[in-house]
Amino acid sequence: NAGVTQTPKFQVLKTGQSMTLQCAQDMNHEYMSWYRQDPGMGLRLIHYSVGAGITDQGEVPNGYNVSRSTTEDFPLRLLSAAPSQTSVYFCASSLDFPKGVAGNTIYFGEGSWLTVV
Amino acid sequence: GQNIDQPTEMTATEGAIVQINCTYQTSGFNGLFWYQQHAGEAPTFLSYNVLDGLEEKGRFSSFLSRSKGYSYLLLKELQMKDSASYLCAVRDHGNSGYSTLTFGKGTMLLVSP
Repeated sequence: NAGVTQTPKFQVLKTGQSMTLQCAQDMNHEYMSWYRQDPGMGLRLIHYSVGAGITDQGEVPNGYNVSRSTTEDFPLRLLSAAPSQTSVYFCASSLDFPKGVAGNTIYFGEGSWLTVV
Repeated sequence: GQNIDQPTEMTATEGAIVQINCTYQTSGFNGLFWYQQHAGEAPTFLSYNVLDGLEEKGRFSSFLSRSKGYSYLLLKELQMKDSASYLCAVRDHGNSGYSTLTFGKGTMLLVSP
């Protein structure tokens, strides 16, 4: 993948535990986002950021927190994990997404497989 | 909100042509993407349409009709490695003023010998 790094790749949590999924990109992208992917549901947007200090909610934000203190990093926090948060999580970034530049592609990280028991 | 529909599954034969349709409803359309996703991997970019018409890129082509809220991805000379999920995604301007990308549920394509 083109410079989007997600960690960890696999994680098992107990209900009620907290954890942070890390996402970093080295392409100086302004736009970063988190999606979750569940069978039969497709990719659903959790939170996104259009630059350092600016975040907004997506389609399924409940149970997740984000912050964007630097351009490079966009961590996703689960404060109290629930079995419904068992999913594959993808971080994505792009250079200039909100301005609608033609052909501006989005780069995805390799995914994080999270199981909450 | 947005509504994006695409078939759940399709099957085709190696060497054939297949067309995957996508219909969408959105209030602030600003482009349509197609992504390919192999099992256990991240989506990878295939094509982008923002104006009506056909965009061709090798064996893959994508068509858009904004007035009909309709797009298709055309795959020619199918190969076994084309077996994957194909995701239609629509970008629009949300209420916050920022663009977001919404994905359909994906079409699983199985290519058989």
